[in-house]
This record gives sequence, C-alpha cells and structure tokens, in this order.
Amino acid sequence: DAKTTQPPSMDCAEGRAANLPCNHSTISGNEYVYWYRQIHSQGPQYIIHGLKNNETNEMASLIITEDRKSSTLILPHATLRDTAVYYCIVSNDYKLSFGAGTTVTVRA
Amino acid sequence: DTGVSQDPRHKITKRGQNVTFRCDPISEHNRLYWYRQTLGQGPEFLTYFQNEAQLEKSRLLSDRFSAERPKGSFSTLEIQRTEQGDSAMYLCASSRPGTGSIYEQYFGPGTRLTVT
Repeated sequence: DAKTTQPPSMDCAEGRAANLPCNHSTISGNEYVYWYRQIHSQGPQYIIHGLKNNETNEMASLIITEDRKSSTLILPHATLRDTAVYYCIVSNDYKLSFGAGTTVTVRA
Repeated sequence: DTGVSQDPRHKITKRGQNVTFRCDPISEHNRLYWYRQTLGQGPEFLTYFQNEAQLEKSRLLSDRFSAERPKGSFSTLEIQRTEQGDSAMYLCASSRPGTGSIYEQYFGPGTRLTVT
C-alpha cells in the first residue's frame, strides 16, 4: 500500500532550483520522511531525511509542512548530473518502501 | 569508507540453475538489507540482517531464496532453481548502528540477473 504520492515526472532547467513535491497524508507521528534518488543503472542514494523540522545538507533541503502531510525536496541549483528518479519514503523502521518515484530530467 | 560492493555486477543464467550473489557492506555497518528491483519499479525489500541474525524476510522471498550473513560481515543471497521471473536487479544496502539516522541506508551498485 502506497504511503506517498509523487508526480511521475518533471523537468527542470540546469542551474535553477528543482522543487519535488510529495504527499504523505497518512503519515504517523513517529515516521520519518526520507528522500533517495537513483541515477540510471546505479543503486539508490540517500539524500536527506526529517521528522518535523526542515532540514538542509550539502545536497538538498527538505521542507515538511506543519501538519506533516506533505513535503518538498529542493535541489537548489540543479545540474545535469541530478537527472534521476527521486523517491519519497515514509518509515519508522528499517524497511524502506519505494514507490514509483518522480523521474526528474534536468535540461541544459 | 569504500562503500557497499556487490559481486558479480551481472549474471546470466539458464532457467533451473542456482546462482549466488555476494554483498560486502561498509565495514562499521552492522545492518544489512537485500532488495529486488524489476524494470520500471522501485526497489522491494527482501530481507534484513542485524549482525549475523536474519530478523525479517519478506513474503517475496520464496523458499528458493536463502540469505546468509556469517560472522556478521559479508552476506550472500542464493537463488535455487532460477525462474525467468527472478530476472531483476538485486540490491544490497547497509546502515550503521545507533539511533536517529540508523535507517540511512547506503546501497551497492546491484547485481543484474538475467534468467534465460
């Protein structure tokens, strides 16, 4: 059963910010929001995770709404190498349930 | 940090043969996971080890599949009597002990299995 909803695809211009939405309206209080991405023919790569507060690291920022029912992953300056499938996952244990994700294509 | 490694990267086998894949996790990681990914789909959880103990197996892991992690280091995934439906990418991941970010999993490059 899908816990998250993401758009199937989106395009982004190189150098611009990419904002990837995710809905998780049934998230429970102890579930984290995780973002992973998978570049073609590689294993998934951890990007960022959060519980309630917004988070930022060297790769991206994660904005979680106050009710925690949705979140946005922000890639501040997209490059061609950011072209990948991006997965939004909610989990409170070791089992990550990947959905279909959002295929992000960064165009020059 | 040398990353998670998997061997082989590609395997082609005939239906009915047995295959074994190996995963070497990041050295200080005590948790190890196997996932399977078919074309166009996200990875699906198969099984989880904490040290040498296999703590969970998905229903996807039929009795033809067996995974081991002797001594809590590397892990092997064996598929007996392979079927064409077993064709997929088999991914291994590991994570470190502790709290907070323990579920930050680091994935290997995967082993692509093709059953002919």
